[in-house]
Amino acid sequence: DVKVTQSSRYLVKRTGEKVFLECVQDMDHENMFWYRQDPGLGLRLIYFSYDVKMKEKGDIPEGYSVSREKKERFSLILESASTNQTSMYLCAIPAGTGYPLSNQPQHFGDGTRLSIL
Amino acid sequence: KQEVTQIPAALSVPEGENLVLNCSFTDSAIYNLQWFRQDPGKGLTSLLLIQSSQREQTSGRLNASLDKSSGRSTLYIAASQPGDSATYLCAVCGAGSYQLTFGKGTKLSVIP
Repeated sequence: DVKVTQSSRYLVKRTGEKVFLECVQDMDHENMFWYRQDPGLGLRLIYFSYDVKMKEKGDIPEGYSVSREKKERFSLILESASTNQTSMYLCAIPAGTGYPLSNQPQHFGDGTRLSIL
Repeated sequence: KQEVTQIPAALSVPEGENLVLNCSFTDSAIYNLQWFRQDPGKGLTSLLLIQSSQREQTSGRLNASLDKSSGRSTLYIAASQPGDSATYLCAVCGAGSYQLTFGKGTKLSVIP
């Protein structure tokens, strides 16, 4: 079974804090994704990584950075948290076998509900 | 830029009914279209993936179709059950990319 583990289900932080959200996968996949989900706006891609130390911006990268030092771990960093970053954050990987990778369904973690006060 | 629309935003049906959820997208240059289910407060569960060269996929009581040229997909749920109550999300994977673009979902309630 594919496992995508997000370190926290719920997190409460203060404005201005540096916040780290962690995602770990057990499938040895090159590709990992970070999304945020907001009511009325749906899921939007923040960043994705296609290999260790490689990253690309998604649709809404402003205010975020990412780190991929090891293949199994992809971290999302809020450099200086603001109240408009209160959201549900979801990590995903392609989760099948074979190629092309783009034809594999994405498998999601359970999400981290982040509140910035 | 790809846009994905799901209609209706919410749907309530009595148990046992067959139902159809609709998804449309603006750019037909896609690798695949994926349907997901999301329960409240949880992550997404993949239901079906239709590759761009396919017309439909089936899994149990679920059948998804794809008409790439018209930019439409439907998810058919047969003999609905209260356990099917959830939000259903449609997403397309753009050609030459791994990026998914999501619709805003259809919230389904199946009444016992």
